[in-house]
Amino acid sequence: SQQGEEDPQALSIQEGENATMNCSYKTSINNLQWYRQNSGRGLVHLILIRSNEREKHSGRLRVTLDTSKKSSSLLITASRAADTASYFCATDFEETSGSRLTFGEGTQLTVNP
Amino acid sequence: DVKVTQSSRYLVKRTGEKVFLECVQDMDHENMFWYRQDPGLGLRLIYFSYDVKMKEKGDIPEGYSVSREKKERFSLILESASTNQTSMYLCASSFPPDRSSYNSPLHFGNGTRLTVT
Repeated sequence: SQQGEEDPQALSIQEGENATMNCSYKTSINNLQWYRQNSGRGLVHLILIRSNEREKHSGRLRVTLDTSKKSSSLLITASRAADTASYFCATDFEETSGSRLTFGEGTQLTVNP
Repeated sequence: DVKVTQSSRYLVKRTGEKVFLECVQDMDHENMFWYRQDPGLGLRLIYFSYDVKMKEKGDIPEGYSVSREKKERFSLILESASTNQTSMYLCASSFPPDRSSYNSPLHFGNGTRLTVT
């Protein structure tokens, strides 16, 4: 089964609003990453948060991690139409070594102008 | 910027054909990966490689093989294409994890949309 599960599956907001997407996972992780995918394209890495971190910022992005609840959230502030994309969380298992990541099914974000 | 190039954006093949999907990266990354992406199933790992001539099975290796003869190139092979292999195939590469991060970000190509008829 998928390690990471995003919620909601789809989100539609107006330009200027904030968008929050959530990711839950089942087993202990080393770190969690968020990726973005524009329609018909590959994924682009957005941000990585380590298991010993609770919050991280990058521009308009804010990621939180709660290891006790096995969940993470991605907040996009002051959204723009260009933020329309699918967003995926990816996790690694603490028990496995190397660079193997498991992706969730993604949240489709639509930002209406 | 890292560039991961997949040789074809779209491919149409017939059932039973042998299919080669090629991926090249220009950042001297040790790790390379093949995923397939299907609606409702997300990304699933097919095979990955930590070094030249090394390969490891992912979650869904059945019906696929891979080749890594050079560090920059990772090929996915469908020995006998079937209709259930119709999908978007995504190649990615990364540096190996260091002791602190365990994982490096993946750099993806733009994908190959394969249709098997």
